[in-house]
Formats: sequence, C-alpha cells, structure tokens
Amino acid sequence: QSALTQSPSASGSPGQSVTISCTGTSSDVGAYKYVSWYQHHPGKVPKLIIYEVTERPSGVPDRFSGSKSGNTASLIVSGLQPEDEAEYYCSSHAGNYVIFGGGTKLTVL
Amino acid sequence: QLHLQESGPGLLKPSETLSLTCNVSGGSISSTIHHWAWIRQPPGKGLEWIASIYYSGNRFYKPSLKSRVTISVDTSKNQFFLKLNSVTAADTAVYYCARDKESTVMDWGQGTLVTVSS
Repeated sequence: QSALTQSPSASGSPGQSVTISCTGTSSDVGAYKYVSWYQHHPGKVPKLIIYEVTERPSGVPDRFSGSKSGNTASLIVSGLQPEDEAEYYCSSHAGNYVIFGGGTKLTVL
Repeated sequence: QLHLQESGPGLLKPSETLSLTCNVSGGSISSTIHHWAWIRQPPGKGLEWIASIYYSGNRFYKPSLKSRVTISVDTSKNQFFLKLNSVTAADTAVYYCARDKESTVMDWGQGTLVTVSS
C-alpha cells in the first residue's frame, strides 16, 4: 500500500505539452479503470480533472487528457498555460481502499 | 450545490484522540451512489486517503491506519465522522472530508488543520 509513484517535478514552457506519469501495481492502477487525477493549487482545495483514466469532468479544458498502459497511468497537459502551474496527484482504486500518488509539481517556465 | 464542512479541534496532544465531524448540506448522505471519505495532507507532503463509508455503514480503511481509525455516519443529521486514536506529530495535517463515487473524489470540504503537539 505504498503511494503510487510520481516524479516529484515536471516543467514546460507555455504552449508546450507535458506528460506526468503515475506508476502503481497490478493490484491498483493495473487492475482497475478507477484512476483519477487532481490539480491542487496552494491554499486551495484539490480539483478533479480526470476520472476513470480518460474522462474529463464538465468544465475541465480538453487540454487535459489521461491514458493508461499496464500499471502506469499518465496525465497529458497540452498547450501549457501559466495557470496550469500546480501540484498534480493521481489516485487509484486498490480493492477496498484508495491510494494516492506522491504528487508532481508542474512548473510553467 | 453540495457543501461539505469539517469541524473539530485544531490542536491535540500526543496520545489523544482526534474527532472530526463533516457536515453535509445541499445533498443527502443517504445517496446510494456515493461514499463519504476522509483524506489528509501533512504539511509539505502529498494527499493520503484515510477511510470512506457508505450510508448503510459499510466502511473501508487504509490498511496501515485501520487499527487507529473509525469512520461513522449519522444519516439523521447528514453528518459523518472520523476518529483517530493515539495521535502523534505524524498525524498533523489538513484533514478534508469528501464525497466520492467509484473511488473518485468529486467534492471536497475546505479542509481543517489539525496540529498534534505537546
């Protein structure tokens, strides 16, 4: 039940694309479609941006997309904008509980 | 519009029991498609899911916390609760209550900071 593995940091210039990965195991990410991504700006409440691997909630720009291959899920942010600078967390269903990733700090250069 | 509001003591001493309440408004805690969860974030660290409960009382716990945690619900008051026993400094965190559907956190409370210090 260790946290899902995310790189601590990622960066890109405005307009570029960035991919953030989230690696789990065959008991969590690899086993279920219930992988989510959250955007967290300092001092604010986390915001759901992707659920069920690829689905976007209403109001989330289509610049945000998700995918999964085996035990690794990915969040792709296209056309980076300054307001995308935030911490990003993945999570996965893991049987009888939910497990989060350690978070990735995305910096827009 | 669903609103979740945490309440509880902001400061505890080591070995005490943390008790938090989440008041749910704008929606029914007796929803048949949602679970109600507690999630925390220690200062400078990532999010950690603690537990969730279904209105009927089915409970789910993070395995490493299970021995110290109890989650419960009061449908008559539209509230749910968290108890965490034998707290230490490592339990210092912002505690969020949340509504989740199929392991996806759809709605979050504003969070409440709980500090454990002697």
